[in-house]
Amino acid sequence: DIQMTQSPSSLSASVGDRVTITCRASQDIIRWVAWYQQKPEKAPKSLIYAASTLQSGVPSRFSGSGSGTDFTLTISSLQPEDFATYYCQQYKSNPITFGQGTRLEIK
Amino acid sequence: QMQLVESGGGVVQPGRSLRLSCAASGFTFSSYGIHWVRQAPGKGLEWVAMISYDGDNKYYAESVKGRFTISRDNSKNMLYLQMNSLRTDDTAVYYCAKDLAVAANLFDHWGQGTLVTVSS
Repeated sequence: DIQMTQSPSSLSASVGDRVTITCRASQDIIRWVAWYQQKPEKAPKSLIYAASTLQSGVPSRFSGSGSGTDFTLTISSLQPEDFATYYCQQYKSNPITFGQGTRLEIK
Repeated sequence: QMQLVESGGGVVQPGRSLRLSCAASGFTFSSYGIHWVRQAPGKGLEWVAMISYDGDNKYYAESVKGRFTISRDNSKNMLYLQMNSLRTDDTAVYYCAKDLAVAANLFDHWGQGTLVTVSS
């Protein structure tokens, strides 16, 4: 199975900050990575796929990059509604696997 | 708009069975693969199973293989998860999630989830 490792596990930041979350795959997954946002007691929301393609309706302050084994999710200017947990996911091969999550908290 | 609504969760004893349902609307259900993804309390996301658009192909996580069965009824826009021989570590919120494409293995819409608690 492909292991996905996110860092950091948690992060404190302020409104307006630029934030980057990293996801590392245990093997080359080309660009087959997606990112999801989950708020407490809510279902995940799809943000990005193919490493850098924004899902419809996702604000442009979210961006993704990377290829091979190293990927990043960047939020250019944090808004109050962005405080949540973020997950990466690889879809290069079965079984589908997720990172352990990065909890983004208000400083 | 696209909507996925899960039902069927509840409290069940270890070793017993439960069937989850997911009602889909707002898109051409028969054109997309659909997945079950679960989340244990306070934990991360775990993919459980996937069924192809036509129901011919099914894939399972090792943790549920042989115990869970995914199925669909395209005439009713319904997805199911039959869960047998339930264990305490199956306790989780179970989400159905629509594939972005026929079988891209990523998700663009999620249901609100249904909680399954396995406890004696």
